[in-house]
Formats: sequence, C-alpha cells, structure tokens
Amino acid sequence: SQQGEEDPQALSIQEGENATMNCSYKTSINNLQWYRQNSGRGLVHLILIRSNEREKHSGRLRVTLDTSKKSSSLLITASRAADTASYFCATPLQGSGGGADGLTFGKGTHLIIQP
Amino acid sequence: EADIYQTPRYLVIGTGKKITLECSQTMGHDKMYWYQQDPGMELHLIHYSYGVNSTEKGDLSSESTVSRIRTEHFPLTLESARPSHTSQYLCASSEWWTWVFGPGTRLTVT
Repeated sequence: SQQGEEDPQALSIQEGENATMNCSYKTSINNLQWYRQNSGRGLVHLILIRSNEREKHSGRLRVTLDTSKKSSSLLITASRAADTASYFCATPLQGSGGGADGLTFGKGTHLIIQP
Repeated sequence: EADIYQTPRYLVIGTGKKITLECSQTMGHDKMYWYQQDPGMELHLIHYSYGVNSTEKGDLSSESTVSRIRTEHFPLTLESARPSHTSQYLCASSEWWTWVFGPGTRLTVT
C-alpha cells in the first residue's frame, strides 16, 4: 500500500514563481526523502529530512516536516524551466534486516514551469 | 566514479521472449532494489536484496525473477514477456539512508 500521497497531482506556474508541493504519509517514520524525476528518466535524490528535524534547506529547495500531522512540504523558490519534472516523496519501509527494506513512493506532483 | 548502471535503456521485444534487464552498481552497497513504474504513476517495489544470495519479493507481485550472485550485480529476468510487462523498470541500491537510482529501462512488449 502506498505510504505517501503528494498534493497537488499537477502544478503549472510561471518561471520565477515559487512552487509548493505537499506530501502526507500514514505511519511513523524516521526520515522522509524527496526525489525529482525528469520525463522517462531515473530518480534524482533531492533532500532527506529526519524525523527530529522540522526544516531543511538545500539551495533553492526548502523542506518542512510535521510529524504530528504526518506531512511534509517541498518549496522550490525562484523556479526555472529546468525544474519541470515530477516530484516524489518517499518514506522507508522498515524491515527485519535493519535499515530499509525499500522506499515507498506517492504518485508524485507533476510540475510544469512555463517560461 | 560511484554510480549505478542499467542496460538496456530501451527495449522493444515481442511476446514470449525471455529478457534480462541488467543492473550494476560500483558503490559496494549491500542492498539493491527493483521498482516498476507505469508512465505518470508511482513506483512499486517488486524485488529487493539484502546482499549476495538474498532475494525478496516486494509489495507488487511480479512475474519477474531476480538473482544476486555478486554484490555489484542484480539482474531481473522475465522468462516469457507479455504486453502487460510493458513499463519502466528502475534499479536502486542503498546503504543506510543513502539511496542511488539507476536511469531506468523502458520496456515495451509488443
């Protein structure tokens, strides 16, 4: 079953504007990750936020995590045409072998930046 | 350079053929994974491995099989391809909370 659900499913904004995507999850986690996927390509890791962190920055990216609401947000500031991609949040599947038995993904937010 | 490779990148093949999708990583990660992704959809875990000689099935049932004879190599095999197998297949490896994904293989079965 899917753990993460992104919202909105699709977002189209003008270049230079900020883009915000949200992710909700169901069970307790020890970290949450955001990935970018360009059309038909592999996943690129953007940022990992741990459960004891509330906010994290990386360049134009800002991620927040609210464990009480089981939600996270990804903000891309000053968007560029090259930011056009799908964005996924992912949470680890806890396994008996230690660490993660995989990541579970939501359906993603399809972001289109119009020049 | 540490990386994860998948071959082929694109494959169009007829029904009934046996195919093997290759995945190799140079990072020495013990854990490796295969995900299946339909266009515009979420990723589903179909296989994973804790290390050499370890293979486990993921959340999504798949007719494919995997093997892990060497740490760096995690091939996926379909004995008899069908149109329902048309999808993108993504390989990944991890160590603790560091994850690396390959570029994917886009498979089309006609």
